[in-house]
Amino acid sequence: GAGVSQSPSNKVTEKGKDVELRCDPISGHTALYWYRQSLGQGLEFLIYFQGNSAPDKSGLPSDRFSAERTGGSVSTLTIQRTQQEDSAVYLCASSQRVGLAGGPVETQYFGPGTRLLVL
Amino acid sequence: SQKIEQNSEALNIQEGKTATLTCNYTNYSPAYLQWYRQDPGRGPVFLLLIRENEKEKRKERLKVTFDTTLKQSLFHITASQPADSATYLCALYFQKLVFGTGTRLLVSP
Repeated sequence: GAGVSQSPSNKVTEKGKDVELRCDPISGHTALYWYRQSLGQGLEFLIYFQGNSAPDKSGLPSDRFSAERTGGSVSTLTIQRTQQEDSAVYLCASSQRVGLAGGPVETQYFGPGTRLLVL
Repeated sequence: SQKIEQNSEALNIQEGKTATLTCNYTNYSPAYLQWYRQDPGRGPVFLLLIRENEKEKRKERLKVTFDTTLKQSLFHITASQPADSATYLCALYFQKLVFGTGTRLLVSP
């Protein structure tokens, strides 16, 4: 497909279980972002991958959260020992820095999100 | 600390009027600023980009201004329609893209 895809689209889990959320970015995009969005709230930055550089993990809320990006493509966000406050929509976005006349720009393309509900 | 501020209260306007949304930022020197639209249950979608050396950008009924002295961007939708109802987010590029919290726009028929 041409866009960013995420799976599963919905996930219901019990408190204390681990979950894995997957993101397939647009082919060729070197940057990948994970965000969390609670109901009616803004985007909360979680983690940022750019090419082969070390990821920017500054937004991860606790050590229960981790993410990997294998082969510069697919990314997995893992939440261990889920808590009820982890319930939210988890959005993935990919981007490519494009050189334009005024300088390079980066535009993010978002996936549809994974709706996580922790009971 | 660095902040991007958008009005958290929803903006309610009548169809046909001009909607104006504000994005203020502190402690950033962004190379450019973007506006995105987010509909319920969906991810944000890119609308417009404006660079630090540009004062104004237009696209159809949309207009964006960027004042780096005031550290503010204004986003205007002219001749607004109910279909314009959504949440609008600004985003700054400074080492990475950083989003504001968004403002919800409601356009009544």
